[in-house]
Amino acid sequence: DQQVKQNSPSLSVQEGRISILNCDYTNSMFDYFLWYKKYPAEGPTFLISISSIKDKNEDGRFTVFLNKSAKHLSLHIVPSQPGDSAVYFCAAPNAGGTSYGKLTFGQGTILTVHP
Amino acid sequence: NAGVMQNPRHLVRRRGQEARLRCSPMKGHSHVYWYRQLPEEGLKFMVYLQKENIIDESGMPKERFSAEFPKEGPSILRIQQVVRGDSAAYFCASRRGDNTGELFFGEGSRLTVL
Repeated sequence: DQQVKQNSPSLSVQEGRISILNCDYTNSMFDYFLWYKKYPAEGPTFLISISSIKDKNEDGRFTVFLNKSAKHLSLHIVPSQPGDSAVYFCAAPNAGGTSYGKLTFGQGTILTVHP
Repeated sequence: NAGVMQNPRHLVRRRGQEARLRCSPMKGHSHVYWYRQLPEEGLKFMVYLQKENIIDESGMPKERFSAEFPKEGPSILRIQQVVRGDSAAYFCASRRGDNTGELFFGEGSRLTVL
């Protein structure tokens, strides 16, 4: 049961343009979402998060939007830079459980930003 | 301040051997989580430990896998009698408290079973 889904395995964008990465979830108990970035042969690093009480959170070039009614969130990167090329995972902590370190991850989207 | 340290980074085992993966959390972190990433998939939670206690092992396979986080020393993920399907990247993450602070991941240990 894939509770967090990233349906686009890959995305290719020109430098300077906007990158939009999408994520859908099925568990309505999720109340917090995170985006992680992962380079090859490295561990994931935290990028940005959003609580379900908000519909938008912005940090520099990165903005996450949450649409609770659609159970959908998206990560916008603008302007995109070649160094943003990586795998991006969306994740949600254990819904209604005892551990916020127990994350459910999506499958990931490979972003390639071309110079 | 060193990050989460995992070793070995790469491990090759033959079917039936044992694999031991070690994780030293960040300084001051007492909560450790293990995740597994199979090829072409996202990370899947395996187990959550605090010092000397397993808090949640709901993601661990029922057989051959075990984890510990002793009072002294690193956390260890142990896989007995490895099979080819165990080939994956195993990531450890740590956190200061379960609801406190960011979750920091190590660089992973890549297990290849021949």
